[in-house]
Amino acid sequence: DAGVTQSPTHLIKTRGQQVTLRCSPKSGHDTVSWYQQALGQGPQFIFQYYEEEERQRGNFPDRFSGHQFPNYSSELNVNALLLGDSALYLCASSLGAAGGLSETQYFGPGTRLLVL
Amino acid sequence: GESVGLHLPTLSVQEGDNSIINCAYSNSASDYFIWYKQESGKGPQFIIDIRSNMDKRQGQRVTVLLNKTVKHLSLQIAATQPGDSAVYFCAESLASGGSYIPTFGRGTSLIVHP
Repeated sequence: DAGVTQSPTHLIKTRGQQVTLRCSPKSGHDTVSWYQQALGQGPQFIFQYYEEEERQRGNFPDRFSGHQFPNYSSELNVNALLLGDSALYLCASSLGAAGGLSETQYFGPGTRLLVL
Repeated sequence: GESVGLHLPTLSVQEGDNSIINCAYSNSASDYFIWYKQESGKGPQFIIDIRSNMDKRQGQRVTVLLNKTVKHLSLQIAATQPGDSAVYFCAESLASGGSYIPTFGRGTSLIVHP
């Protein structure tokens, strides 16, 4: 049973560039959430996708966007990169119960992004 | 906005001792709490959770205690092992928009000495 996978593992970009990060959820999960984790901090919620729609969004600018595909995998896109975007980007998957609540999230290993 | 904090940023224990990691949460409306363990270079790993209608829940070698009166959460690890060395995060959450979105604190670093 494959867990949450993310690619790439590491990435180096320069200011102003755009980046796309990818995530495949745990088998059987249909909900994907993205988090940003700065060094020494806890993960901060960016947004969540369910049924190919953005269901919830945290306090992040519009430069951060995402997509979910019919196979439940997801992408995180960040435009006009800033130095402060350097962080570990985590993907978490969960099972969204129809008419109920999506609960426990399982995290992938993350993508380490460095913006120079 | 609301935040979750930890009393002790670093906890050092001897192998075999019991460890207690404390956490203060700030949103009295939070009704679902989770502890995660994060090892270096890895994503957070789910350890145990507890709902607000409970005050104690036990897992394998771990126990979570919830005190809603003082908005306090703790994680107890019995017979701590070197493999338990990691950063531990508590997270609080509240059902919203069909999902629980955890709010994490900074974390506590647990160091286990052999």
